[in-house]
Amino acid sequence: DVKVTQSSRYLVKRTGEKVFLECVQDMDHENMFWYRQDPGLGLRLIYFSYDVKMKEKGDIPEGYSVSREKKERFSLILESASTNQTSMYLCASRTGTGGGDRDEQFFGPGTRLTVL
Amino acid sequence: GQNIDQPTEMTATEGAIVQINCTYQTSGFNGLFWYQQHAGEAPTFLSYNVLDGLEEKGRFSSFLSRSKGYSYLLLKELQMKDSASYLCAVIHNQAGTALIFGKGTTLSVSS
Repeated sequence: DVKVTQSSRYLVKRTGEKVFLECVQDMDHENMFWYRQDPGLGLRLIYFSYDVKMKEKGDIPEGYSVSREKKERFSLILESASTNQTSMYLCASRTGTGGGDRDEQFFGPGTRLTVL
Repeated sequence: GQNIDQPTEMTATEGAIVQINCTYQTSGFNGLFWYQQHAGEAPTFLSYNVLDGLEEKGRFSSFLSRSKGYSYLLLKELQMKDSASYLCAVIHNQAGTALIFGKGTTLSVSS
């Protein structure tokens, strides 16, 4: 059974704190993604990675950074959390090598982050 | 740029048929995906279309017209458990293999 797991389902942090959201996939996928999901705005891409140590900005990277030291793990970092970063964060992965465009993107269960 | 439009909300009754539309604008089209997302859960894959026409998968079917930039998801014999958000997505044209999603259509099924 394929799996994308995220370190926490719920997280509450204070403004200014450094926050780490961890994501692990067991499918040996090359590509990993971080999205945030907000009511009325849908899913928006923050950062993605297509290989170990490689990272690229998505549509809304401001205030975030990422780390991919191992193939199976992709971390999202909020350097100094702010209230407007309160959101649902979803990690996803997708195959790369040998895969086709039709290959689905698998999502983790999400982390609901509240910044007070 | 890329743009995906879907209705925000739809309602239907058990046993009925509902069609959820999606229009998109993108360069370098590489297929269109439909995902289902129940409240508080992760999106799960429903279908992928890259050629024009209808693809049927049980109670769910998905249609694509590339010339019109249009797709729909057809749900038959609706059940209460089909109450969820339905997300239309295409491959992001500037972000590798990432998907870019529409804002989703929230479907409410009543008895």
